[in-house]
Amino acid sequence: DAEITQSPRHKITETGRQVTLACHQTWNHNNMFWYRQDLGHGLRLIHYSYGVQDTNKGEVSDGYSVSRSNTEDLPLTLESAASSQTSVYFCASSGVAALSYNEQFFGPGTRLTVL
Amino acid sequence: GEDVEQSLFLSVREGDSSVINCTYTDSSSTYLYWYKQEPGAGLQLLTYIFSNMDMKQDQRLTVLLNKKDKHLSLRIADTQTGDSAIYFCAETLCPRAGNMLTFGGGTRLMVKP
Repeated sequence: DAEITQSPRHKITETGRQVTLACHQTWNHNNMFWYRQDLGHGLRLIHYSYGVQDTNKGEVSDGYSVSRSNTEDLPLTLESAASSQTSVYFCASSGVAALSYNEQFFGPGTRLTVL
Repeated sequence: GEDVEQSLFLSVREGDSSVINCTYTDSSSTYLYWYKQEPGAGLQLLTYIFSNMDMKQDQRLTVLLNKKDKHLSLRIADTQTGDSAIYFCAETLCPRAGNMLTFGGGTRLMVKP
């Protein structure tokens, strides 16, 4: 079955370190998204991609970067981790599909703690 | 700009109906969605409604849309303990163009036996 996976599921790191969170989908979806979830803020969009070599900034992109070298993967990098980036991170994907409502499929999330 | 708001918490007894409310500010929204998040998991699409509809029913779920007041609600009939989760409403302006969603803060539904 097609799926979207994230790794690691839990990560503890120190302030200033570079961290990369992986996202892999097997639906062959063109569109991929990274969100962070914080209490009281719901989900906020960090970066998104509409296809290979395409990346775009979302609402809260400062301190994060992404790259899209293939259809399946959109890794999220925290260049220099800060305590304010402690959060739960979700990756999602959607297809340019016959489904007009264009559902987004979410991964299980990565809980990141920056000490 | 876009802003989607929800109340934080709702508690109901098993078997009662639950009504989760959402308000949004962008009148150009074309699709509105309800996603469910169970503990420790990602979000799953529950249902959606197109902006030219007033109501949509899907088994125990009823979605009501009041475009004039920019108000969306999700009613869950005969609420079960398995319905305990966080419910997010979301909107999009253009689902075909990559489906950027704006989410509300989520409503935590607690169902008491």
